[in-house]
Amino acid sequence: DTEVTQTPKHLVMGMTNKKSLKCEQHMGHRAMYWYKQKAKKPPELMFVYSYEKLSINESVPSRFSPECPNSSLLNLHLHALQPEDSALYLCASSQEARTGVKGYTFGSGTRLTVV
Amino acid sequence: EDQVTQSPEALRLQEGESSSLNCSYTVSGLRGLFWYRQDPGKGPEFLFTLYSAGEEKEKERLKATLTKKESFLHITAPKPEDSATYLCAVQAYGQNFVFGPGTRLSVLP
Repeated sequence: DTEVTQTPKHLVMGMTNKKSLKCEQHMGHRAMYWYKQKAKKPPELMFVYSYEKLSINESVPSRFSPECPNSSLLNLHLHALQPEDSALYLCASSQEARTGVKGYTFGSGTRLTVV
Repeated sequence: EDQVTQSPEALRLQEGESSSLNCSYTVSGLRGLFWYRQDPGKGPEFLFTLYSAGEEKEKERLKATLTKKESFLHITAPKPEDSATYLCAVQAYGQNFVFGPGTRLSVLP
């Protein structure tokens, strides 16, 4: 199994809603990442988890709250988002933080629209 | 500060018209340079890792090369299904990826 699975694939939420994005991998990778990608831009790093501990938070607003329940799962909890938060949210994993022959394995992403 | 630039920003080719994409980088202690392909609305798909100057990797119509300052992705006789955004990323030792802005490739039938 060499996949990173993200759910849901599409999400529309109001600015007062609370929702969660989910990511799962079964490759035995010990590092997991959240990226945000706007149209025609490269992915921007948001959070890095290494061995289930948050190791990097790239100055992301508190309305985004990551959680790593175990080594295979990564969640991103969303609350009180703004329309400018609409983007493709990508989850990725690697063997160790900042290493891996293939770099990072990415999921297909969640297309988030905030209305 | 690690930096990655890619050129051209966008490229339109006729089917069968070979060309090259460029990735220029500045990084202290390169651990690896990675090429990804990304289709609209999808996550990046791994293509190649290059570790040292002079290294080359090939996959179907794609060939990646690496020098001390840049990498090229050569596309030979492209087909419409090769249309995508091609992302280059570099990784220094102990650091996270730094992505380039990407090249949007369109191959017309």
